[in-house]
Amino acid sequence: EVQLVESGGGLVQPGGSLRLSCAASGFTFSSHWMSWVRQPPGKGLEWVANIKPDGSAKYDVDSVKGRFTISRDNAKNSLYLQMNSLRAEDTAVYYCARHGVGGYWTDYWGQGTLVTVSS
Amino acid sequence: EIVMTQSPATLSVSPGERATLSCRASQSVSNNLAWYQQKPGQAPRLLIYGASTRATGIPARFSGSGSGTEFTLTISSLQSEDFAVYYCQQYFNWPPLTFGGGTKVEIK
Repeated sequence: EVQLVESGGGLVQPGGSLRLSCAASGFTFSSHWMSWVRQPPGKGLEWVANIKPDGSAKYDVDSVKGRFTISRDNAKNSLYLQMNSLRAEDTAVYYCARHGVGGYWTDYWGQGTLVTVSS
Repeated sequence: EIVMTQSPATLSVSPGERATLSCRASQSVSNNLAWYQQKPGQAPRLLIYGASTRATGIPARFSGSGSGTEFTLTISSLQSEDFAVYYCQQYFNWPPLTFGGGTKVEIK
């Protein structure tokens, strides 16, 4: 059974940093593109970043460029999101998600971890 | 950036009736379109990819159609568990991967 379990969310002050983790199991982690997708409270979904299976390519949305960094450790079956210079508008549930084979839809999602940026 | 627009924002349907949800792309995405269902407090669930291919375990009452810029998700006979928010997402031209704003399907 595919499982994605996020951790690391919490309350942080504006300008602060946070590192999210996602533990993957039940599939060959090193074979899949992985993404972070976020959802502000009561709002829709926004793709944040994704990373190639071997970690050699990474892409992100303009609003987080230079502040967020996606990474992975295939030996640990783990995905990460380092978030720096956090802003109030980064407040959201952050989901770890697996891309499907042969395309960039997301076929499995974690339960999400809430990040709240507030003073 | 490709902008995805969903309509209507809210759809009121009676159980057993048919629901038709629309998604429009600001430019052609070919058939690189996925649909997701999200219930309150839960993560999204993949329903459809490739515009019309049902994901594993998705009931046949869910069907997707369209290509280019116009797409439709049809739920043939709404069950109680289908009342949720539905999102479309394009993966043709990225980054960024982009989602529509969602359609809430509520009980009439």
